[in-house]
Amino acid sequence: GAVVSQHPSRVICKSGTSVKIECRSLDFQATTMFWYRQFPKQSLMLMATSNEGSKATYEQGVEKDKFLINHASLTLSTLTVTSAHPEDSSFYICSALRGRFGNTIYFGEGSWLTVV
Amino acid sequence: DAKTTQPPSMDCAEGRAANLPCNHSTISGNEYVYWYRQIHSQGPQYIIHGLKNNETNEMASLIITEDRKSSTLILPHATLRDTAVYYCIVRINEKLTFGTGTRLTIIP
Repeated sequence: GAVVSQHPSRVICKSGTSVKIECRSLDFQATTMFWYRQFPKQSLMLMATSNEGSKATYEQGVEKDKFLINHASLTLSTLTVTSAHPEDSSFYICSALRGRFGNTIYFGEGSWLTVV
Repeated sequence: DAKTTQPPSMDCAEGRAANLPCNHSTISGNEYVYWYRQIHSQGPQYIIHGLKNNETNEMASLIITEDRKSSTLILPHATLRDTAVYYCIVRINEKLTFGTGTRLTIIP
């Protein structure tokens, strides 16, 4: 069964509004989680690394004020897309590191965001 | 980070072994090789990973060459449900950086 869960799986929001996506590790504590974005027929692009209790580390070109990441507990990270626009419509996927480096990273089921 | 090179697509007959190659000629000594697959509109699924030795689990086998510059993922008895995009990733630190992968199609 899934060890990383995302919610919601699909969301439609109006342009200019904000939407929050949750990522939970179900049976382990994850000090590090990752957020990816995937456009149709493209590969996954890493957006940011989320560390429990500290600020997220964003990849080059990703706007930290637009994509707010909070990792307040060892089992939950959230991604908030602020002031969403149609170009933000995408498949957002989170992942969580189980254990330490060299161990496995598990992915959530992904969340489809459509901004209308 | 070490980059990987994979063929963009492959076909395999159902019931046969699927062998997916990956080149990672710039890999360094402490980088792991990970394999994931992604079925359409789902999150990536972990398959297997290794550092130096060959690895096997219930899903697949991973064969890493002695110089570690390439590896092969083997699905021993491919089924239609194995149709997916397969990603070979070399990992340093905590990140996984995805390339374009191999689109594997299992033919009935």
